[in-house]
Amino acid sequence: EDQVTQSPEALRLQEGESSSLNCSYTVSGLRGLFWYRQDPGKGPEFLFTLYSAGEEKEKERLKATLTKKESFLHITAPKPEDSATYLCAVQATGRGSNYQLIWGAGTKLIIKP
Amino acid sequence: DVKVTQSSRYLVKRTGEKVFLECVQDMDHENMFWYRQDPGLGLRLIYFSYDVKMKEKGDIPEGYSVSREKKERFSLILESASTNQTSMYLCASSRRAVDQPQHFGDGTRLSIL
Repeated sequence: EDQVTQSPEALRLQEGESSSLNCSYTVSGLRGLFWYRQDPGKGPEFLFTLYSAGEEKEKERLKATLTKKESFLHITAPKPEDSATYLCAVQATGRGSNYQLIWGAGTKLIIKP
Repeated sequence: DVKVTQSSRYLVKRTGEKVFLECVQDMDHENMFWYRQDPGLGLRLIYFSYDVKMKEKGDIPEGYSVSREKKERFSLILESASTNQTSMYLCASSRRAVDQPQHFGDGTRLSIL
């Protein structure tokens, strides 16, 4: 069964303390892996798409990487404004619909000043 | 930037009412989606549309219907609202290609009393 698992569920860091969020996936074939950021009471905001193992994308303090089984979202020297829930979603081949995503449950990141 | 606009941020309705949630996107995207998001259950797809007047069921279509008469507008209809449909409803849109990211509106917090 296709599945996406994010860990940890929650992560508390001090400002400036770098860390990584994990998204592991089990799918028959990968079309793309998406990272989103969601602030309380808002819709998810698109961050990155990764398509193949070895690919990396960067945006400010965030860097996303992809292997054949998982993706990491690395956060370097985070600031309080990086606090949010980070969602991972996978688009798999061989599913009934080409457009459906498999969503992880998210990691809630809290950065303390 | 992609703009997905949902007609209401907050909505309160009574059981048995017919409820309409509206979504408009301004980027000429072919695909549009409706999700609900509940604590502990993550994002679940209700319906999506890949073209005008076309629709496909997602994972939880029961109790809902949709309408897409124009490319930029996608409506979610709760035929007879029930308390278990109290939730955050999110609309998204994407380009036609299967590996394109979905872009979300800010959601409608719907309470059914």
